[in-house]
Amino acid sequence: EIVLTQSPGTLSLSPGERATLSCRASQSVSSNSLAWYQQKPGQAPSLLISGASSRATGIPDRFSGSGSGTDFTLTISRLEPEDFAVYYCQQYSSALLTFGGGTKVEIK
Amino acid sequence: QVQLVQSGAEMKKPGASVKVSCKASGYTFIDYGFSWVRQAPGQGLEWMGWISAHNGDTNYAQKFQGRVTMTTDTSTSTAYMELRSLRSDDTAVYYCARGLNCSGGPCYVRPFDIWGQGTMVTVSS
Repeated sequence: EIVLTQSPGTLSLSPGERATLSCRASQSVSSNSLAWYQQKPGQAPSLLISGASSRATGIPDRFSGSGSGTDFTLTISRLEPEDFAVYYCQQYSSALLTFGGGTKVEIK
Repeated sequence: QVQLVQSGAEMKKPGASVKVSCKASGYTFIDYGFSWVRQAPGQGLEWMGWISAHNGDTNYAQKFQGRVTMTTDTSTSTAYMELRSLRSDDTAVYYCARGLNCSGGPCYVRPFDIWGQGTMVTVSS
């Protein structure tokens, strides 16, 4: 099983600032099969990024994904009020899918 | 529009079973498959397994092997997840998500683009 470790656990930032979230895999994620999800309180998660760097339909371009192999990054270029949420990475390169533990982006 | 609508909240006693449904609409049911994901209160996401709506193939996370059964009913475009021998630490919101592409050949795993609204399952004596 591929273990995903997200850091930091919590990111305290102000609107307009840049957020950088990390996701590290215990072994290489083949074909960059890495996705990012956003979850707001009381809601189901929603897909932001697939294939490590492809934005899902309707996702604004302030969200970007990068990385390969075992190290991946989600960047939010300028935080909007609606971006304060929890973010999860997920690998789907193996038949046994796994999620990272999540990073909470909170208002400073 | 494409959506997944889950059944309502459940309250169960330890040792009982629960069966959660997930009705799909807005797309060709058998072209995709479903994953089930749960989230304990205040915790992260935990993948439980997937099922192909095309041929019923399943793949369960080792943690749930022997205790979970995922099925689909193509006549009603509904997926089901049954969890048996419930314990208090099974208390969680259970989500279905569209996460397998089966159109045009063998199924392959894909990111979860559509999620159900979640079903709260509470296990308490």
